[in-house]
Amino acid sequence: RKEVEQDPGPFNVPEGATVAFNCTYSNSASQSFFWYRQDCRKEPKLLMSVYSSGNEDGRFTAQLNRASQYISLLIRDSKLSDSATYLCAVNSGGYQKVTFGIGTKLQVIP
Amino acid sequence: NAGVTQTPKFRILKIGQSMTLQCTQDMNHNYMYWYRQDPGMGLKLIYYSVGAGITDKGEVPNGYNVSRSTTEDFPLRLELAAPSQTSVYFCASALNPGAEGKRNTEAFFGQGTRLTVV
Repeated sequence: RKEVEQDPGPFNVPEGATVAFNCTYSNSASQSFFWYRQDCRKEPKLLMSVYSSGNEDGRFTAQLNRASQYISLLIRDSKLSDSATYLCAVNSGGYQKVTFGIGTKLQVIP
Repeated sequence: NAGVTQTPKFRILKIGQSMTLQCTQDMNHNYMYWYRQDPGMGLKLIYYSVGAGITDKGEVPNGYNVSRSTTEDFPLRLELAAPSQTSVYFCASALNPGAEGKRNTEAFFGQGTRLTVV
């Protein structure tokens, strides 16, 4: 089993739609969880850290489910500018390594 | 504040050549990482370092070497370039990646080096 697994998509959604991505992780001792956004031919940039209590930033909501070992990202009212690849990341290996999922590609359609 | 700086941005190597990818950060982060990203694939960890003088292998270390003589610099060395090493290489740094619920746990990335081996 991979350390971090994501559905690569693509997810094609109309503007204004709500879309959700999940990401599962295998190491139950993982402590830190993140969602990154990566635009085509660019470096990943942090979108949100994911805390145990969940967190929200505008149209974006991230949640952590430790029992089932997954994190989720919900995007409400999708914009064309949300089109990108969303990578989940989990720390592992004694909390020192950061392991990334393959990324989920989102395409928001007019 | 420059963040994480990688050089060069692009490079074409011939099979068997060697080169060093440079990475420097000015955020005083202890943790630094090298990843490679192949088309349509995620980031695979090559090597990482938890501080000056300490390095460790990641998921795909074969064909690469690293050193960490200072907190700021974490160069990646390719000794005998092979076509399989054609990829985009990202360097990243983090202050405290394992601290749950605390700030400054995320990784910051450089802009990447696009390497082609022919």
